[in-house]
Amino acid sequence: QKEVEQDPGPLSVPEGAIVSLNCTYSNSAFQYFMWYRQYSRKGPELLMYTYSSGNKEDGRFTAQVDKSSKYISLFIRDSQPSDSATYLCAMSAGAAGNKLTFGGGTRVLVKP
Amino acid sequence: NAGVTQTPKFQVLKTGQSMTLQCAQDMNHNSMYWYRQDPGMGLRLIYYSASEGTTDKGEVPNGYNVSRLNKREFSLRLESAAPSQTSVYFCASSYDRVRGETQYFGPGTRLLVL
Repeated sequence: QKEVEQDPGPLSVPEGAIVSLNCTYSNSAFQYFMWYRQYSRKGPELLMYTYSSGNKEDGRFTAQVDKSSKYISLFIRDSQPSDSATYLCAMSAGAAGNKLTFGGGTRVLVKP
Repeated sequence: NAGVTQTPKFQVLKTGQSMTLQCAQDMNHNSMYWYRQDPGMGLRLIYYSASEGTTDKGEVPNGYNVSRLNKREFSLRLESAAPSQTSVYFCASSYDRVRGETQYFGPGTRLLVL
């Protein structure tokens, strides 16, 4: 079983809809949680970063972390065709050995 | 500010050939990383360098070597390429290994081993 699980999709939504993405993990030592966006044939770019449990909002993006359930989510409001990409969750234990563990990524398609 | 740059962008090798992938960053970051990305496997850490002069193995180091040439540059070498090393390779950097959660990625090198 992988340490971080993420549905590969594709997730297809109409423009303007809310995109809901999530990851589950098994390592309770993880305390830093990130979401990266990766366009085709490009490197990942950091979207959101959250420490421990809670919510974080940045424009149209909201990240949620529920450490008790080992579950993290990313919501994209008012989705645009330019949001079409693969979204990767990543997490680390922090100072204990700060190597990121990535999910496999979810491919999102926003149709005009 | 170029960020993280990687060369080459694309390479085809024959089994047994060697090559070095180059990576450089201009953000004055201390830590640098090499990942490979395969379909359905996500990004897997090959090697990392917490600071200039140090390197450590990641999740999948077999068949690779690295050199942290200076603070800016971190190279990945394949001594004898195998078809299983066909992948997309990403270099990343972060300011600090402890707070290395903010990793910045290069554009990637696509490697095909025949």
